[in-house]
Amino acid sequence: GAVVSQHPSWVICKSGTSVKIECRSLDFQATTMFWYRQFPKQSLMLMATSNEGSKATYEQGVEKDKFLINHASLTLSTLTVTSAHPEDSSFYICSASPFAPGLAANNEQFFGPGTRLTVL
Amino acid sequence: QKEVEQNSGPLSVPEGAIASLNCTYSDRGSQSFFWYRQYSGKSPELIMFIYSNGDKEDGRFTAQLNKASQYVSLLIRDSQPSDSATYLCAVARNYGQNFVFGPGTRLSVLP
Repeated sequence: GAVVSQHPSWVICKSGTSVKIECRSLDFQATTMFWYRQFPKQSLMLMATSNEGSKATYEQGVEKDKFLINHASLTLSTLTVTSAHPEDSSFYICSASPFAPGLAANNEQFFGPGTRLTVL
Repeated sequence: QKEVEQNSGPLSVPEGAIASLNCTYSDRGSQSFFWYRQYSGKSPELIMFIYSNGDKEDGRFTAQLNKASQYVSLLIRDSQPSDSATYLCAVARNYGQNFVFGPGTRLSVLP
């Protein structure tokens, strides 16, 4: 149980185009989904937290107009990188949690397999 | 001061030895602590979590938490070459679910 999928697993695009990444919880309802970015040899950096039906909360320094997040249902969140540039090339990973924030101390997140974005 | 710190490594241990991975955190209000393993090019996979002071064992893995010292560690007994990966410590912020990840420690188990 607790499987999270991402699509696509990798994408190559031209500079200036927009790319949409989907994150799905396959066997549970995800109250909260998280989007991370990981550059080579670095750790995961949280970009934003999204709760179903409400606006995402972005971390400091993350441009909300560039990284559009939609969490339209309890099993699907999307991240759209708008007008992508080479510096946006990274490994984007989503995670999902069945709990609402603050409800449980052992609040596990289940990670998707990641999407590798390369912007030429 | 970074919120979550780990030695970057690489930490090299011979096969069969005990690998000890350490993590310190700055937020005293942190509630729960996770250890993830990440192979190159893959997303993290959960090894175990701990939220009470003391030790928690799961197979070859033991997590140790000391909230007074703001320190959490992971011991891997009988290390195998397949344990070679980057180990990420993650700390959940007070009153929330957001994780802060440490930079990770690269472990290399030598056959």
